[in-house]
Formats: sequence, C-alpha cells, structure tokens
Amino acid sequence: EAAVTQSPRNKVTVTGGNVTLSCRQTNSHNYMYWYRQDTGHGLRLIHYSYGAGNLQIGDVPDGYKATRTTQEDFFLLLELASPSQTSLYFCASRGANERLFFGHGTKLSVL
Amino acid sequence: GMPVEQNPPALSLYEGADSGLRCNFSTTMKSVQWFQQNHRGRLITLFYLAQGTKENGRLKSTFNSKERYSTLHIKDAQLEDSGTYFCAAEGNNNNRIFFGDGTQLVVKP
Repeated sequence: EAAVTQSPRNKVTVTGGNVTLSCRQTNSHNYMYWYRQDTGHGLRLIHYSYGAGNLQIGDVPDGYKATRTTQEDFFLLLELASPSQTSLYFCASRGANERLFFGHGTKLSVL
Repeated sequence: GMPVEQNPPALSLYEGADSGLRCNFSTTMKSVQWFQQNHRGRLITLFYLAQGTKENGRLKSTFNSKERYSTLHIKDAQLEDSGTYFCAAEGNNNNRIFFGDGTQLVVKP
C-alpha cells in the first residue's frame, strides 16, 4: 500500500501565526494535492503539483502558499494564520491514471 | 454548476437494508474513486474505476463516463458502514480531482 505521511497530526496556533504542514510520499508519484475539509463542504482543493518545483492553484488558495521541494515532499504554508483556516487538512498523491492515496490528515486550530 | 453533485446528502438505513448513492458529473470525467470516511476522519478507498462496474463484498460501484454518473450500492447494510461517503472524479484535461460534498450514512440497529 502506497504511503503518504503528514505531519504534524495536530497543530494549534494563534491568529497571525506561521504554520507549515508537511507531506511526504514514497510512491514516486508525480501528482500531490492539498485539501481542506470543513463541515458541509466536503474536500476543497487548495494547491496541487505535477512534480518538483511545480505548483498549481486550486479552488481555495487564498491565505495559503505551497512548495514542492522534491518529488516526495509537498508543504503547505500559512504565513499569517486566521481562525477561518481552522480545518482538517489532507494531503494526497497519485501517479498518472492511478487512484488517490491520502494521508491521515492534520487537524489545525487557529485561536 | 459544481463539477460533482452527490446525492443524497444524508441517508439513514436499518441493518440489513440495501441502498444506493449517486454522483452526477457536469462534464466527462476520466475516472472516479469512492471513499468512506470513518469516525476518526480517515479516508478509506472503496473503489477506483476508469469504466464499468466493480464489486467488493456487499459493495458495488458503477461508472458511466458517457452518461456522466457513478453509483455506489450498499447491500445488507451493517452498523460499521456508518460514516461519510465521498465520490471523487478526475477531470479529462487537467489532472484535477473534484470531490462531491459527501453522503452521511447512519445505519441503525
């Protein structure tokens, strides 16, 4: 089973804080995705990437940056966290014409 | 409209009942994946289809790209089937994955 590892699993920060969420996949997948999940909205795409150095904008990118430093690593950056960014964040990866593999999720609370 | 419309938003079944969930797509999709999200928030893949029908135990899923829909059928519902079910479809042109808003399923004894 392909592995996608997110860290941290839980994070609490204050308004205006700087947060980095990490995602690593060891599947040699090209595509990686960051989603947020809020009650009543399902999963919404923040940013995604086709490969190292590539970044694509998703549906809800405001307030987020992302960086794909290597094939394996995709980071989500909140430079000035706000309470509206309190959410459950999922990272996923996949190869071409393959299914998505998800991490366990990161629960972020912005106070 | 939304790329993926999932119905129903909520569903309540008694143990042993059969039922179905459906996702309609606003455009032609390449593939569809169905997930169950458990009480811990974990997303568990149930099916991945590029076409046709797959079965796994009490679950069966169909994907018809031309008619722009996918279904998930649950047979003989059990308490452990409770959770939120999502479909996710891959667009034809841009490798994006579009999610439905989910179906909250409660199976009652």
